[in-house]
Amino acid sequence: EVQLVESGGGVVRPGGSLRLSCAGSGFTFEDYGLSWVRQAPGKGPEWVSGINWKGGRTGYADSVKGRFAISRDNARNSLYLEMNSLRTEDTALYYCARSMGAGLRIYDFDYWGQGTLVTVSS
Amino acid sequence: QSVLTQPPSVSAAPGQKVTISCSGSSSNIGNNYVSWYQQLPGTAPKLLIYDSNNRPSGIPGRFSGSKSDTSATLGITGLQTGDEADYYCGTWDDSLSAFVFGTGTTVTVL
Repeated sequence: EVQLVESGGGVVRPGGSLRLSCAGSGFTFEDYGLSWVRQAPGKGPEWVSGINWKGGRTGYADSVKGRFAISRDNARNSLYLEMNSLRTEDTALYYCARSMGAGLRIYDFDYWGQGTLVTVSS
Repeated sequence: QSVLTQPPSVSAAPGQKVTISCSGSSSNIGNNYVSWYQQLPGTAPKLLIYDSNNRPSGIPGRFSGSKSDTSATLGITGLQTGDEADYYCGTWDDSLSAFVFGTGTTVTVL
């Protein structure tokens, strides 16, 4: 069974940092592209960042470019999101999601985690 | 503000059919595959349609997808109370170099 389990969320002050992790199991982790997708309370999902199967190509939404960094460790079946200079508008449930393909050009997400909540507040 | 536009809500009686449109441009829908997601309250989005018109294993045939030029459509036939949810389209945008979701549509079963 494919599973994605996020962790690392919490409450942080504006300007602070946080590192999210996503552990994958039940599939060959290195064969798939992965993304972080967030959803603010009462809003629709927003793609935040994606990474291809090998980690050599990454992409970011304009809203987080220069502040967030995505990475993966295929030996540990893990995906990460380093978030810096956090803003109140970054408050959301952050999902880890698997692409059906291996590349960075994403068309779909076939498996999602349960999400980890990030709250940015003073 | 999303580059993919959906109607805010659609509704129909049980057993009837609804269609949800997703309007984009040549830089997204016009040049890429579209996917559709169902989100029930308090849960993660669930993939309903991939590559514009394919259903993953386990998704009933009542759900269908199509694409024409810069628009895509999700159809739900034989509407059930369990279909009440938010629905989102999504695709890659070549200009933004980003995956984009639609504005979302709430389906209500009357």
